[in-house]
Amino acid sequence: RKEVEQDPGPFNVPEGATVAFNCTYSNSASQSFFWYRQDCRKEPKLLMSVYSSGNEDGRFTAQLNRASQYISLLIRDSKLSDSATYLCAGLSGGYNKLIFGAGTRLAVHP
Amino acid sequence: GAVVSQHPSWVICKSGTSVKIECRSLDFQATTMFWYRQFPKQSLMLMATSNEGSKATYEQGVEKDKFLINHASLTLSTLTVTSAHPEDSSFYICSAVSGEKKYNEQFFGPGTRLTVL
Repeated sequence: RKEVEQDPGPFNVPEGATVAFNCTYSNSASQSFFWYRQDCRKEPKLLMSVYSSGNEDGRFTAQLNRASQYISLLIRDSKLSDSATYLCAGLSGGYNKLIFGAGTRLAVHP
Repeated sequence: GAVVSQHPSWVICKSGTSVKIECRSLDFQATTMFWYRQFPKQSLMLMATSNEGSKATYEQGVEKDKFLINHASLTLSTLTVTSAHPEDSSFYICSAVSGEKKYNEQFFGPGTRLTVL
């Protein structure tokens, strides 16, 4: 089983829609989780960190459920510019290794 | 701040040749750098962890004699793909961690696209 798993999508949604991504992890020792955004042929960029208490940044909300070992990302009022691949990642190991999920592709259409 | 550069941004080489990719932290000292590889429509796969002044730690399945990593200073790590083959064609991305940051956020370079003919 992969350490971090995501639904690859793609998610095709109209502008203004609300979309949610989930990501499950298998290593219960992982302490920190993140959501990254990656555009085609570019490096990943940190979108937000994920806390048990939830983390909201504008239209984006991230949640961590330790009991069920999953993290989520909610995007409200989708914009065309939100089209990208969203990667979840967990910190693993003593050297702060990031283990990435395969990514979920989002396509927002007019 | 926290800018990481990679050079070259893309490279095309013949099978059997070696290619060196540089990763630099431009405005901070990176105690640790990571090298990732990403095949089309797949996730970033960690190849190795590089610490300044010591040998790199390779992930399972990554050949250390094929992917040579040198972290000679706190701002530079290099990855050399030796005797490259077409199956090594991929997007190689480095990241750097600043020892000054409490939560050790990783800052990614823009990536190097390698095509082996």
